[in-house]
Amino acid sequence: QVQLVESGGGVVQPGRSLRLSCAASGFTFISYGMHWVRQAPGKGLEWVAVISYDGSDTYYGDSVKGRFSISRDNSKSMLYLQMDSLIAEDTAVYYCAKGRTSTTSCSDLWGQGTLVTVSS
Amino acid sequence: DIQMTQSPSSVSASVGDRVTISCRASQGISSWLAWYQQKPGKPPKLLIFAASILQSGVPSRFSGSGSGTDFTLTISGLQPEDFATYYCQQANSFPHTFGQGTKLEIK
Repeated sequence: QVQLVESGGGVVQPGRSLRLSCAASGFTFISYGMHWVRQAPGKGLEWVAVISYDGSDTYYGDSVKGRFSISRDNSKSMLYLQMDSLIAEDTAVYYCAKGRTSTTSCSDLWGQGTLVTVSS
Repeated sequence: DIQMTQSPSSVSASVGDRVTISCRASQGISSWLAWYQQKPGKPPKLLIFAASILQSGVPSRFSGSGSGTDFTLTISGLQPEDFATYYCQQANSFPHTFGQGTKLEIK
């Protein structure tokens, strides 16, 4: 079954860290760039980060640059998002999404999302 | 960064109507544009990529057009399941910015 399943969300205090995971199955994970996209409660979609198929290239949105780090383990078909120095504005549902083709592409497969709440 | 502006922010329509949603990029993005549909509590679903190519499994009543800075999503013959929020996204350069969304509501 082709799917992406996120985990690792929860409630975290401002300034702390959290690591999200995304388990991929049903497709050749190593062949595709992978993205994280987030959506604050009641708001629109915000692109967060992308990693190339082999992990050699990464790009970030301005609001998370320097605080978040995207990585992948192709041997386990896993995608990660390390989130440091969290602030209230990082509260959102975080989606893992598969690039349709290369690193520079839209996303044709999405997970169900994991909720991150940053609050004291 | 490239800014994506959708219009209108919301639109009311009836089953069977034809609806058009616009998306404008702050600079040229060739045809590097995608459209998504999102329903409450669900992840986005890819409808169209490369501005006008229908994703597999998406009904043919959905169509996309445009290039450069101006793009359009058209839904011909609205069905009850089409009432949702629609987003455009540019994939020309990083960050891959989204439009603010257009909520399609039942009249």
